[in-house]
Amino acid sequence: DTEVTQTPKHLVMGMTNKKSLKCEQHMGHRAMYWYKQKAKKPPELMFVYSYEKLSINESVPSRFSPECPNSSLLNLHLHALQPEDSALYLCASSQEPSGGAYNEQFFGPGTRLTVL
Amino acid sequence: EDQVTQSPEALRLQEGESSSLNCSYTVSGLRGLFWYRQDPGKGPEFLFTLYSAGEEKEKERLKATLTKKESFLHITAPKPEDSATYLCAVYDGNQFYFGTGTSLTVIP
Repeated sequence: DTEVTQTPKHLVMGMTNKKSLKCEQHMGHRAMYWYKQKAKKPPELMFVYSYEKLSINESVPSRFSPECPNSSLLNLHLHALQPEDSALYLCASSQEPSGGAYNEQFFGPGTRLTVL
Repeated sequence: EDQVTQSPEALRLQEGESSSLNCSYTVSGLRGLFWYRQDPGKGPEFLFTLYSAGEEKEKERLKATLTKKESFLHITAPKPEDSATYLCAVYDGNQFYFGTGTSLTVIP
């Protein structure tokens, strides 16, 4: 299984809602990532989990809260978002965390988030 | 200062017209250079990893090469289904840097 899955595919939420994005991989990868991508821009790194511990937080606002319940799952909890947070949210995983030799990141299909 | 620069931003090719995309980088201590293909509204699809200058990798109509300062993605006899944005990313042992991508359109 070389797939990263993400749910939901699309999400529309109001600024007062609380929602969660989910990501799952069964490749035995020990690093998982959240990216945000705006149209016609490259992915921007948000968070990195290494061996289920948060290792990088790229100064992301606290309205985004990541969680890694186990080595296969990654969640992104959303609360009180702003319209400018509308974007494609991508999850990725890699065999080894930062510093390792094998760092190809495999991406999921993304969640298209719209904040009204 | 941009760590990764891709050119051209956009490229239109006739079907069968071969060309190359460029990815130049300024990071020191390169630990890996990655090429991805991304279709609109979808996640990037991994294509290649290159680790050292002189390395080459091929997959169907695509061939990636690496020098000390840049990488090329050569597309031989492209087909309309090769139309996509091609992203380059580099890893310096600490973090990833993505380029802004080349949007490729192959016209039948």
